[in-house]
Amino acid sequence: GESVGLHLPTLSVQEGDNSIINCAYSNSASDYFIWYKQESGKGPQFIIDIRSNMDKRQGQRVTVLLNKTVKHLSLQIAATQPGDSAVYFCAGPDSSASKIIFGSGTRLSIRP
Amino acid sequence: EPEVTQTPSHQVTQMGQEVILRCVPISNHLYFYWYRQILGQKVEFLVSFYNNEISEKSEIFDDQFSVERPDGSNFTLKIRSTKLEDSAMYFCASSVAASGNEQFFGPGTRLTVL
Repeated sequence: GESVGLHLPTLSVQEGDNSIINCAYSNSASDYFIWYKQESGKGPQFIIDIRSNMDKRQGQRVTVLLNKTVKHLSLQIAATQPGDSAVYFCAGPDSSASKIIFGSGTRLSIRP
Repeated sequence: EPEVTQTPSHQVTQMGQEVILRCVPISNHLYFYWYRQILGQKVEFLVSFYNNEISEKSEIFDDQFSVERPDGSNFTLKIRSTKLEDSAMYFCASSVAASGNEQFFGPGTRLTVL
């Protein structure tokens, strides 16, 4: 079956450092990926997305990189702040495009 | 900024009882979804809804589940006879279109079945 969002479960970074959260996917036909942030007790919040015709997209303090050759994408957060503490999911539509498949997520914790 | 809202934030019910979880999607959105997240696990798709009918449903969405858009603003998920394993966070989401469009998620309803 298809799989999107195979994450390492946890990541701990020093406040002010850059964070890099990695994600692997298995479906070569996947053409759209999304990063969501989920804070404790809240719903997933859209951060940034990228289409397969791009290899990089930048937002405010975040950058997503897509490497289709190795089916890998990453989310980079610059100058990580305490408010960035959350679980981060990469996700993408399934082959029918009618639903989003979430990975298991990476819990980002910030050391003061 | 428009947002998806959900009520109640927390629902406690006895096993076997019916529950209705309510959502108000973003007003110009046409596609609606329910997802659930069991504590500590990933978010799982339940059902998608468009043009007053179910577009797709997962194997989780069995005969005990139903969805409805009773009016122009609400979107509900009903569980007819709750089981212990239905305890989870239930998230409603909506999007302008399908396929590659951003789905906006609500804050969730925590369902606890005793």
